[in-house]
Amino acid sequence: GAGVSQSPSNKVTEKGKDVELRCDPISGHTALYWYRQSLGQGLEFLIYFQGNSAPDKSGLPSDRFSAERTGGSVSTLTIQRTQQEDSAVYLCASRGQDNYGYTFGSGTRLTVV
Amino acid sequence: AQSVTQLGSHVSVSEGALVLLRCNYSSSVPPYLFWYVQYPNQGLQLLLKYTSAATLVKGINGFEAEFKKSETSFHLTKPSAHMSDAAEYFCAVRGNNAGNMLTFGGGTRLMVKP
Repeated sequence: GAGVSQSPSNKVTEKGKDVELRCDPISGHTALYWYRQSLGQGLEFLIYFQGNSAPDKSGLPSDRFSAERTGGSVSTLTIQRTQQEDSAVYLCASRGQDNYGYTFGSGTRLTVV
Repeated sequence: AQSVTQLGSHVSVSEGALVLLRCNYSSSVPPYLFWYVQYPNQGLQLLLKYTSAATLVKGINGFEAEFKKSETSFHLTKPSAHMSDAAEYFCAVRGNNAGNMLTFGGGTRLMVKP
């Protein structure tokens, strides 16, 4: 597609439930990033995928968070046993061969009640 | 490691006044710097980027930024604010590790008064 697509745009879930957030990057972009934007914490890097290489998971805040990228394209961020502190906007970005062209999606606003 | 500091979490200007949003960076290597804008309930939109070419970078919507190595700054300016400029602005630096992740400043919310 023309841009980075994220779904759902909004998600309300009960504490303790698992959630899956989806990111569809720009076609042909090999690099994909997940960020979390929360009040008081700004924009935090979570995880990075590059092609078929092992992802850089150094930003994941706990083992409740995981992500995968299938076929080098769509990525899913999974949060298990959600907690209230997981409430945030989760942003996905992709980058092509141009090392400076980061394109962000509109994000998924997650609210844990 | 790279880092970015944005001075002023909130900036208020009158319509037609100069906009100045401050960004200072820390980097052990020549940095690549970015300014993004975020409107309510939207993602980040690239305003402009510095990639070691011209130090004065012009972006969209009349914004520009000047890279000053001696001051480790990359401040964002616009000569005349419009109401539509009200948004949150983020400065970011690209990492020089394998992932080239962006590290963001804390953001500055710009308010424009009529």
